Amino acid sequence: KNEVEQSPQNLTAQEGEFITINCSYSVGISALHWLQQHPGGGIVSLFMLSSGKKKHGRLIATINIQEKHSSLHITASHPRDSAVYICAVGFADGSEKLVFGKGTKLTVNP
Amino acid sequence: DTGVSQNPRHKITKRGQNVTFRCDPISEHNRLYWYRQTLGQGPEFLTYFQNEAQLEKSRLLSDRFSAERPKGSFSTLEIQRTEQGDSAMYLCASSLRGVYGYTFGSGTRLTVV
Repeated sequence: KNEVEQSPQNLTAQEGEFITINCSYSVGISALHWLQQHPGGGIVSLFMLSSGKKKHGRLIATINIQEKHSSLHITASHPRDSAVYICAVGFADGSEKLVFGKGTKLTVNP
Repeated sequence: DTGVSQNPRHKITKRGQNVTFRCDPISEHNRLYWYRQTLGQGPEFLTYFQNEAQLEKSRLLSDRFSAERPKGSFSTLEIQRTEQGDSAMYLCASSLRGVYGYTFGSGTRLTVV
């Protein structure tokens, strides 16, 4: 069964802290996305990974294909990073749909 | 291009009424997807079009739901005889490269009262 698990569900941090959000999945994938969703619903794509590591500003995303695991890191967190972060996976089953985790609600306090 | 556009942003309807949502994808994207997101959950796949052909439908898409993409451009999602359980955020996304490059719209939030 194609499943995506995220942890933690909720995360509260102080401004400046290093944040890690984890995502694990059940079977082989074509692509893994990290997405950001603010109140109001709009989803913004942060990263698409098939292997390795990507960095954009203070955000870093890594994926370990053998362990079926990905992490999203935020360095020097800021209150504006407060949002829901969602992992979504395109499984290598020929389908074009994404299977989403339940999301991690991040609150960064000043 | 202004990205993926969804209208309306919010819709409140009475139980039993029909509603229709519209999605305008990025113009060069031939793939269009509909997802539904309930409170506290990640989005769930509903259906997918490549050009005007509806290629995949979820079991979540009951017979009260219908989606069209008549000319391979914009798409509509209609819900007939709405129920309170249909209250959710309906998200549209488009892509040129399948799972390798999704762009999401801002969603339509449906409230059935």
